[in-house]
Amino acid sequence: ELKVEQNPLFLSMQEGKNYTIYCNYSTTSDRLYWYRQDPGKSLESLFVLLSNGAVKQEGRLMASLDTKARLSTLHITAAVHDLSATYFCAGGANYQLIWGAGTKLIIKP
Amino acid sequence: ETGVTQSPTHLIKTRGQQVTLRCSSQSGHNTVSWYQQALGQGPQFIFQYYREEENGRGNFPPRFSGLQFPNYSSELNVNALELDDSALYLCASSPGGGAGETQYFGPGTRLLVL
Repeated sequence: ELKVEQNPLFLSMQEGKNYTIYCNYSTTSDRLYWYRQDPGKSLESLFVLLSNGAVKQEGRLMASLDTKARLSTLHITAAVHDLSATYFCAGGANYQLIWGAGTKLIIKP
Repeated sequence: ETGVTQSPTHLIKTRGQQVTLRCSSQSGHNTVSWYQQALGQGPQFIFQYYREEENGRGNFPPRFSGLQFPNYSSELNVNALELDDSALYLCASSPGGGAGETQYFGPGTRLLVL
């Protein structure tokens, strides 16, 4: 059974700094997703990572996947306040997504 | 292109009542998945419908049931509501029935059970 763990669960950082969110998963996953959720809002798809070594970048966010280590990372470069949100990773297992608990990211000016 | 829509946006019920939540999938999508998201947690998979058939189910009791219609819209029904059913219910649509497809989420229905 696929389990997904994220860390840290809470992250407060200054604008302009870099940081990484980690997502470990327990068994083989079809693929790995990253989503963003703003308070009281729904989930917005950020990245889908399909294979070992996959790297995707959008603006200040970059996601990567290491299937051998069963690890995905979401790296934030030169953070800005607008990136404050909760970030979730999810693994694909057959027809369903198995989600991590989320990382609440607060970026202070 | 219309995104995923859900109704109602908020709902208050009492224990023991029944509720129906509705979801319209994104144009061109034939698969709908339902999730329950408790406050401060990640979503939990309830079930998925693909071309009007249940395609898979998570660890939810039978009082959680669903339907998908020929236009691929969907309903989630919850009978005998319990306090713990209070949550954000999210519907997601995708173009196909496998986990390989990116799921696009609606705004959710926030259910409060008193």
